[in-house]
Amino acid sequence: DTEVTQTPKHLVMGMTNKKSLKCEQHMGHRAMYWYKQKAKKPPELMFVYSYEKLSINESVPSRFSPECPNSSLLNLHLHALQPEDSALYLCASSPRDGSSYEQYFGPGTRLTVT
Amino acid sequence: GIQVEQSPPDLILQEGANSTLRCNFSDSVNNLQWFHQNPWGQLINLFYIPSGTKQNGRLSATTVATERYSLLYISSSQTTDSGVYFCAVEPGMNTGFQKLVFGTGTRLLVSP
Repeated sequence: DTEVTQTPKHLVMGMTNKKSLKCEQHMGHRAMYWYKQKAKKPPELMFVYSYEKLSINESVPSRFSPECPNSSLLNLHLHALQPEDSALYLCASSPRDGSSYEQYFGPGTRLTVT
Repeated sequence: GIQVEQSPPDLILQEGANSTLRCNFSDSVNNLQWFHQNPWGQLINLFYIPSGTKQNGRLSATTVATERYSLLYISSSQTTDSGVYFCAVEPGMNTGFQKLVFGTGTRLLVSP
C-alpha cells in the first residue's frame, strides 16, 4: 500500500481563523513533507520532518506551524493566513532506511483564505 | 539553486499519438522522479529513475545523469493521460533530507 491520506479535501477559512491540516501514512516511512502549490505552478517544499524532527524549514512564515506527533501523522496548523496563502497543500512521505528515496504524495487539501 | 526546465510547456495530441517530454536540470542530482498530476490535483508516481531506463506499460523513461536530462515517453496516448507532467529532482549537494525540486511542468491534453 502506497497511500498517503489528507484531510480535509477542501477548506475555506477567514484571515482570523485557526485551522489544521492533517496527513497520515501507514507505510512505515520516517520522512514526511509539506509542499505548497499555487495555481498553474509546480509544488514548492515547505517543511521536512525526519524521524519526527523538523529537518528543513524553507523560510516559511510563522503563520504556518508544522507538527509531527508520531511517525504516521503530520499536521500543519494555520493561523492568521492571508488571501495569497490560498493554494493546494500537499503532504508526502518517503522511506529513510536507504531502500529507496521515492516520495509518495497525498491527494492534497485545497485551501481558500477569504 | 538548481534549475529544472521541462519542455514543451504545452502539448496537444490526438488519441493514439506518441510523445516525448524532456526534463533538463542544471546541476548533479541524487534522484529523479516523474509524476502525473491529474485534474483533481493528485500527484501520481510514474517513475523513480535516478539513472537508466525503465518501462511501465505505455510509458517509459530514460535518465542520463551525466548529461543532466531525463525523457518521458508516452505511446498510444489516451484521454486519461491528460494532465500535467512534472519531473522532480533531489539536488546532488543535498544534506540527504530528500528535498525535491520540481520542474516547470508539461501540460498535456489528449483529444479523442
